[in-house]
Formats: sequence, C-alpha cells, structure tokens
Amino acid sequence: DVVMTQTPVSLSVSLGGQVSISCRSSQSLVHNNGNTYLSWYLQKPGQSPQLLIYKVSNRFSGISDRFSGSGSGTDFTLKISRVEPDDLGVYYCGQGTQYPFTFGSGTKLEIK
Amino acid sequence: QIQLVQSGPELKKPGESVKISCKASGYTFTDYAMHWVKQVPGKGLKWMGWINTYTGKPTYADDFKGRFVFSLEASASTANLQISNLKNEDTANVFCARDNHGWFAYWGQGTLVTVSS
Repeated sequence: DVVMTQTPVSLSVSLGGQVSISCRSSQSLVHNNGNTYLSWYLQKPGQSPQLLIYKVSNRFSGISDRFSGSGSGTDFTLKISRVEPDDLGVYYCGQGTQYPFTFGSGTKLEIK
Repeated sequence: QIQLVQSGPELKKPGESVKISCKASGYTFTDYAMHWVKQVPGKGLKWMGWINTYTGKPTYADDFKGRFVFSLEASASTANLQISNLKNEDTANVFCARDNHGWFAYWGQGTLVTVSS
C-alpha cells in the first residue's frame, strides 16, 4: 500500500498569514496513463471532507485561488495564502493512483 | 446540484447488523463509481472500498473483507453498505464519496454508527 506522510501534524497561523503543508508518498504517484492522482481535502469541524485540489494542482470548482497545490512524483505541497477564519480544520492529502486509495494522517490548522 | 444524502445515525449492539444508504442526485448515477470511507471519531480517513455503479461489482480494501457488503439500488440511484456481526471497533462515521476518476469531489454528510452493549 502507498503510505502518505503529512507534516506538520498541526500548525497555528495568524489571519492573513501563509502556511504550507507537506505530503510525501512511499511510492511515485504517477499513474501508467501519465496523470498524478494526488488530491487535497479540508474537513471543517463537524463536516464531511471537501475537495480543494485534484491532480496535484487543479483547484476544484469554487475553491479560492488562495489555495494552491504543487509537487511531483512523491513530494507534494499545499499552500494557503492570506489565511481566513473559515480555513480552520484538518487538511488531508489523498492518493488515487493505485488501490487501495490512501490518505495522509491529517494536518490540523488553527488560527492564532 | 450534485448531492449525496446518507441515512441517519445508528446505535447497534455487538453482533447486530446495520445497513447504511447513500442516495445520489444531480447526475447520472451509473456514470461514476461510489466509494466508502471510514473515520473513527477524532481520527483520520480510511478507504473501505468501492462499487462499480454500472456493473454492481464491489471491491473491498483488505481490512473490510468478510463482514462488509456494498450493494446498489440503481433504479433509486442509491448505494448501500451493510456491516454484519458488528464489533466495538466498527464505531465510526462512514462516508460515501463519488469517484471522479482518482479523487472525491462529492461526499455524503456521513452516517455515525455506534456499536455499544
């Protein structure tokens, strides 16, 4: 199975600040078809996860351009700029390149 | 708009069975696979498996083989998850999620299953 390692476990940021979350996979996430199925989700307190980014760097419909994804192979990053109160929650990376699909253990974002 | 609406919370005793439903709307049900994801309260996300909504073929993650059954009521655009012989460790929030070919763009609201004697 592909192990997804997220860091940090938690972070605290001031409103308006910028943060980066790292996600590393134990194997390359490049699919045989050339696509890389690395996605990012935000789970706000008491809610279902919501998709932010898919295929490394594509923002889902309605997602602010304050969220950006980058990376390749086994090393990926989510950046959040101009942090707002509504950004708090737990961020997960996930891979859909090979079965079983797997998720990182999550990064909890708190607002200072 | 696209929605996945799950059935309500369940309180069960060890050894009992439970069936959770996930009703889809706003798109052609058979065009996208449906996945199931488990989340123990306060913990992370664990993929349980998926069902091909066109053929009805289920695929289970290793930890979810044996007591777990994915099924469909395609005419009702509904995917179901049945768990038999419930154990305390089955206590979790269970989500259905629509596969967008490698990522999950739409999630149900979650169904909390509590197993307690």
